[in-house]
Amino acid sequence: DADVTQTPRNRITKTGKRIMLECSQTKGHDRMYWYRQDPGLGLRLIYYSFDVKDINKGEISDGYSVSRQAQAKFSLSLESAIPNQTALYFCATSAGGETDTQYFGPGTRLTVL
Amino acid sequence: QKEVEQDPGPLSVPEGAIVSLNCTYSNSAFQYFMWYRQYSRKGPELLMYTYSSGNKEDGRFTAQVDKSSKYISLFIRDSQPSDSATYLCAMSEIYNQGGKLIFGQGTELSVKP
Repeated sequence: DADVTQTPRNRITKTGKRIMLECSQTKGHDRMYWYRQDPGLGLRLIYYSFDVKDINKGEISDGYSVSRQAQAKFSLSLESAIPNQTALYFCATSAGGETDTQYFGPGTRLTVL
Repeated sequence: QKEVEQDPGPLSVPEGAIVSLNCTYSNSAFQYFMWYRQYSRKGPELLMYTYSSGNKEDGRFTAQVDKSSKYISLFIRDSQPSDSATYLCAMSEIYNQGGKLIFGQGTELSVKP
């Protein structure tokens, strides 16, 4: 089984709808992240969490919120989806340490019509 | 100007060619440099990690960092069709960088048999 899983893998929704993307990990890491990937813009950080009680905004948090339900679970919500939130969304985890290597999930492709 | 610039390609080479992938950056405080590889429909995975200036070699891959020029490179020798992927550079100022990792836009590489 994959160490970092994301659900759903694909989602099409309409403008104004509330959407939740979920991430679970079995690596036992404390740190979790949400990124979005857009063509020509690369990966941009939305939110990150160093433990259940520590949540921080990233570069592009406007229009998004997160919930860290447990060490292994980190959810991303779009309160009122808009078309420019159409993107590929990745969850990642890391354990800290010198390299603090991030391990990514398979991604969720979100389309907002 | 983006902190990290990477030519998005696409780059197409014949099997066996030497590939050079590059990133430039503007923040002289960056000290930790990484290359991630992302296969189609997958999340990125860490390929190489370098601290400060110098070279690091791992099999057919060599990562170079030139801090004086604010320029990093990834060389792939004897490229294989299995190397076809998007390569993203990433960098950070601090040890244990957590949510401070800045990614380039990614270069799409295709190695033709």
